Amino acid sequence: AQSVSQHNHHVILSEAASLELGCNYSYGGTVNLFWYVQYPGQHLQLLLKYFSGDPLVKGIKGFEAEFIKSKFSFNLRKPSVQWSDTAEYFCAVMGGLNTNAGKSTFGDGTTLTVKP
Amino acid sequence: NAGVTQTPKFQVLKTGQSMTLQCAQDMNHNSMYWYRQDPGMGLRLIYYSASEGTTDKGEVPNGYNVSRLNKREFSLRLESAAPSQTSVYFCASRAGAYGYTFGSGTRLTVV
Repeated sequence: AQSVSQHNHHVILSEAASLELGCNYSYGGTVNLFWYVQYPGQHLQLLLKYFSGDPLVKGIKGFEAEFIKSKFSFNLRKPSVQWSDTAEYFCAVMGGLNTNAGKSTFGDGTTLTVKP
Repeated sequence: NAGVTQTPKFQVLKTGQSMTLQCAQDMNHNSMYWYRQDPGMGLRLIYYSASEGTTDKGEVPNGYNVSRLNKREFSLRLESAAPSQTSVYFCASRAGAYGYTFGSGTRLTVV
């Protein structure tokens, strides 16, 4: 079975501060990893994804994430946050594409509040 | 615009009533999913359809049924709604190893 743990439930930052949201996953085989963002009142949108290759992946809006296989981690980072980054962030793992029907398991989410 | 369309956006039901949530995608994706989102619990998979003609239970299927009507449409039915089914429901579709495209959600309240 696959699972995801997000370490922080609520993070509060001031504008221009750096961001790092923790995500650890559990799965015994090859994984695909994702970060999604949900702005207030909206649906989830894909921020970035990791399939293979370079463990440092870059997504939209200046976000990036690093896959560290030895630590089963996929932390999300942004060097300088903006007020518009206020949202809820979800880490997700999709393991075993051919045997798992592409089911994703989501973490509980981290609410980011950026103060202007 | 291409994407996933869900209807209705909001619904209030009385305990014991039934309803069907509709979902349609126009991206020719094979796989479709229904999740529910509850505060502090992330998203939990209710049912999924790996391809047209197949459906399978997810993590929390009790109280729900689904129909994959064709490649485009995947509906979720509540036969006898209960207050515990108050939630926000998201439909999603997927192509290959890429991430999901989500619909805008249905906010359901059962009183």
